[in-house]
Amino acid sequence: SQQGEEDPQALSIQEGENATMNCSYKTSINNLQWYRQNSGRGLVHLILIRSNEREKHSGRLRVTLDTSKKSSSLLITASRAADTASYFCATSNQAGTALIFGKGTTLSVSS
Amino acid sequence: GAVVSQHPSRVICKSGTSVKIECRSLDFQATTMFWYRQFPKKSLMLMATSNEGSKATYEQGVEKDKFLINHASLTLSTLTVTSAHPEDSSFYICSAMTGAGYEQYFGPGTRLTVT
Repeated sequence: SQQGEEDPQALSIQEGENATMNCSYKTSINNLQWYRQNSGRGLVHLILIRSNEREKHSGRLRVTLDTSKKSSSLLITASRAADTASYFCATSNQAGTALIFGKGTTLSVSS
Repeated sequence: GAVVSQHPSRVICKSGTSVKIECRSLDFQATTMFWYRQFPKKSLMLMATSNEGSKATYEQGVEKDKFLINHASLTLSTLTVTSAHPEDSSFYICSAMTGAGYEQYFGPGTRLTVT
């Protein structure tokens, strides 16, 4: 079963602009992770934020987590055409268990 | 870093035949592997959890007799799609974890097309 929703489902922006994607989930979590998937390819792990963290940065990525609202956001700053991909959030509530994925946001960055 | 491979990357088979997909952890021992399925433009749906040396745990709605999973060693899990039908055409992705934490390592996926 899927954990929740991402919005928007699709996002089109110009190079240099920032892209913000949101993810909501339903159950309690230990951590939330964001993944990227290029068309027809496997998943690339981007960042993991733990339930006791509120914000995390990695390069041009900024992730926030609001456990009271059961939501997270992924911000990609100064986007590039190479950022074009689908982005998924995934949650985990117990070590050794499978991730539950959101529906994903398809990002298109045009040059 | 931890690397997971899948083989084959693409396979086309005829309806009624069986197809085996391998998932290998190349540089670590995976106590647990997961199999996901992804339809076009959709998210990943967990099919089953595979623990080395024991029977796989299937998600609700996934036929265990159709999707046979074997986790014979700490570095290899296989998914066999038996008597494949066109509706089984999909992208199958495995992931592996050591069991020590929460990080999963994903394979590159296998594109199955059943004609």
